[in-house]
Amino acid sequence: DGGITQSPKYLFRKEGQNVTLSCEQNLNHDAMYWYRQDPGQGLRLIYYSQIVNDFQKGDIAEGYSVSREKKESFPLTVTSAQKNPTAFYLCASSIRGGYADEAFFGQGTRLTVV
Amino acid sequence: KNEVEQSPQNLTAQEGEFITINCSYSVGISALHWLQQHPGGGIVSLFMLSSGKKKHGRLIATINIQEKHSSLHITASHPRDSAVYICAVRWPETSGSRLTFGEGTQLTVNP
Repeated sequence: DGGITQSPKYLFRKEGQNVTLSCEQNLNHDAMYWYRQDPGQGLRLIYYSQIVNDFQKGDIAEGYSVSREKKESFPLTVTSAQKNPTAFYLCASSIRGGYADEAFFGQGTRLTVV
Repeated sequence: KNEVEQSPQNLTAQEGEFITINCSYSVGISALHWLQQHPGGGIVSLFMLSSGKKKHGRLIATINIQEKHSSLHITASHPRDSAVYICAVRWPETSGSRLTFGEGTQLTVNP
């Protein structure tokens, strides 16, 4: 079955460490997105990519980095520069990132920094 | 600022009740999505619509472009419908066709 796989589901890291969240899709989608979810707030866009080897900052990119070396993979690194990294992270994709494209979501990774 | 507002924030219903969740947005959009998020966190897309009405099983989504308003209805609600329902829109002028999300409506259906 096609879909988006995020791993791991739960992640614990010590403060000051970088951590990379995985997102893989086998839907052959061009566009991929990373969102952050905090209690009581809507999802906010961190980074997005519409094509391999290209990505754009979203609304809250500071303290995060991404790469898009392969169409199916869009890993997110939470760096030590991110002041409040504990959150729920969701990866999404759409076929081309067009206005009428349906969005598909992964199951999310809950990151806790202690 | 482009905004998406959902109401109510929390909704508790008895099994079998008809449920309505509302979504309003500030400026014209190219598409509106209704999403369902279960306690584990994963999100499922329920509907994507830009006009009119769509129905899938007990779920109905409507949108009024002139009033910049959409509703999600659940008929004959069931405890398994308990989840967070999220409205998300695509603004035509934003790059990457990214989504802007409402804060979500926490629905609890009691048996």
